[in-house]
Amino acid sequence: QQQVKQSPQSLIVQKGGISIINCAYENTAFDYFPWYQQFPGKGPALLIAIRPDVSEKKEGRFTISFNKSAKQFSLHIMDSQPGDSATYFCAASPDKAAGNKLTFGGGTRVLVKP
Amino acid sequence: GAVVSQHPSWVICKSGTSVKIECRSLDFQATTMFWYRQFPKQSLMLMATSNEGSKATYEQGVEKDKFLINHASLTLSTLTVTSAHPEDSSFYICSAFPTNPRDEQYFGPGTRLTVT
Repeated sequence: QQQVKQSPQSLIVQKGGISIINCAYENTAFDYFPWYQQFPGKGPALLIAIRPDVSEKKEGRFTISFNKSAKQFSLHIMDSQPGDSATYFCAASPDKAAGNKLTFGGGTRVLVKP
Repeated sequence: GAVVSQHPSWVICKSGTSVKIECRSLDFQATTMFWYRQFPKQSLMLMATSNEGSKATYEQGVEKDKFLINHASLTLSTLTVTSAHPEDSSFYICSAFPTNPRDEQYFGPGTRLTVT
C-alpha cells in the first residue's frame, strides 16, 4: 500500500512541447506530493509540490494536477527545453509537514530534443 | 538557503574495508535526516531515518550492522558502510528535514561509492 506507480519510464519530446508524467498511489494517508528533478550524478531537487486540498498548482512552466478521488497526480512541463532533460520522480508522504518518509515513484527519464 | 552537503562526493575502497559518508545541513538545523540508496537508472530507496540523539530506524531488509548511522548533532549525520563488498557499490544520498520552520526536506548531492 506504500507504492507509488509512475509512468512512462521514459519520454522524448521536442523543444517547445509538453511533457506529461503520471503517478498513482494507493495509500489514502498520503497527503503531500512533491516532484523532484535529478540530473546524472546529482541529488534530486524539489521542483514543485502539492497537497490534496487543491487540484492544481502551477509554478512557472511546471504544473501539478491532482485527482484525489482517482488517487492520481501528474506533472506537466510546458514549453519543454533541452535543459529540462533529466529524470523526474514523483513522491508521496503521509505527513502534511513533510517530516515523514517519502515514497518515490520509479522515475521518468525525459529527453528534450532541440 | 537550505543547503545540504555530502562528503566525499565519490570514494573507491577495497572489499572488506569500511567507509564513512558525511551529510551536513549547512544553514539550518535538522532533527531528522534520511539516507537513500540509488542504483543506476533506478529510483531512490530509503535505507534509514536518522534522528538526532537517538538510534536510527532502518527500513525492512537493510542491515543495521552493515550500515551504521550516527546523528550526533543537529547538522551532521554519518553513514558508515562496514566491511564493504562490491554489491554495496551504489549512489548514496542523504536528505535533511529542517527543525524550524517545518518545510520540505532537502537533498544532498550524493556520494558515489565503488567497492573493488
